[in-house]
Amino acid sequence: DAKTTQPPSMDCAEGRAANLPCNHSTISGNEYVYWYRQIHSQGPQYIIHGLKNNETNEMASLIITEDRKSSTLILPHATLRDTAVYYCIVRNRDDKIIFGKGTRLHILP
Amino acid sequence: DAGITQSPRHKVTETGTPVTLRCHQTENHRYMYWYRQDPGHGLRLIHYSYGVKDTDKGEVSDGYSVSRSKTEDFLLTLESATSSQTSVYFCAIRDTEAYGYTFGSGTRLTVV
Repeated sequence: DAKTTQPPSMDCAEGRAANLPCNHSTISGNEYVYWYRQIHSQGPQYIIHGLKNNETNEMASLIITEDRKSSTLILPHATLRDTAVYYCIVRNRDDKIIFGKGTRLHILP
Repeated sequence: DAGITQSPRHKVTETGTPVTLRCHQTENHRYMYWYRQDPGHGLRLIHYSYGVKDTDKGEVSDGYSVSRSKTEDFLLTLESATSSQTSVYFCAIRDTEAYGYTFGSGTRLTVV
C-alpha cells in the first residue's frame, strides 16, 4: 500500500525544469524518500534519495520540506529522454520497495 | 551497471507448462527481488530473498515459487503457467551503499 500521492501525469517543455511533486504526509522519522523512473519497457532506474536534507546528483535534485510531508524532484533541463513514469517511494532502508502508480511525465518538444 | 542479467528476455509458453526465469548478479548482493508489471497494476512484488536459501513472499506470490541456492542466482518458477501470468517480470538487487534497487532489463512472458 503506497504511502505517497503523486499526480498521474504532467507535461514539461523541453529545456525547462521539470518539477515533480510528491506528498507523503504519514512519513515516519526513519523513512527515506526515494525516486525512481521507468522509461518505456525498461526496468526502473534509481534517481536519488534523501532523509531530511535536500540532495543533488548528476541526474536531479530532491527538495524535501522541513516537516518532511512532501518533496519535489527537479530535473533541471528536461530532455525528450526524460519522458518516463516517475515513482516517489517512502521506506526504511531495509524495507521492500512497494511501487505506487507514479507520475507519467511527458516532455514536449 | 550493477551486473544483473535476466534470462530469457522473451518467452512464449503454453498453459499448464512449468517455466523458470533466471536472475543472475555478479556483485554478491544479499537481497534480490522479483516483480511483475502489468498494465493498470504497475510493479508488484512477487517474492524476495535475503540470502542463500532465505526467501519470503511478496504481494502477489500465489502460483509462483523461488529458489536461491547460491548468492548470484535467484530463480522464479511458475509450476503450471496460466494466462493470468502473462506479464513482464523484473528482477532487482539491493545496493548496499544507497539501499536503492538496481533492476534488470526484464523478461516478457506470454502464456498462450
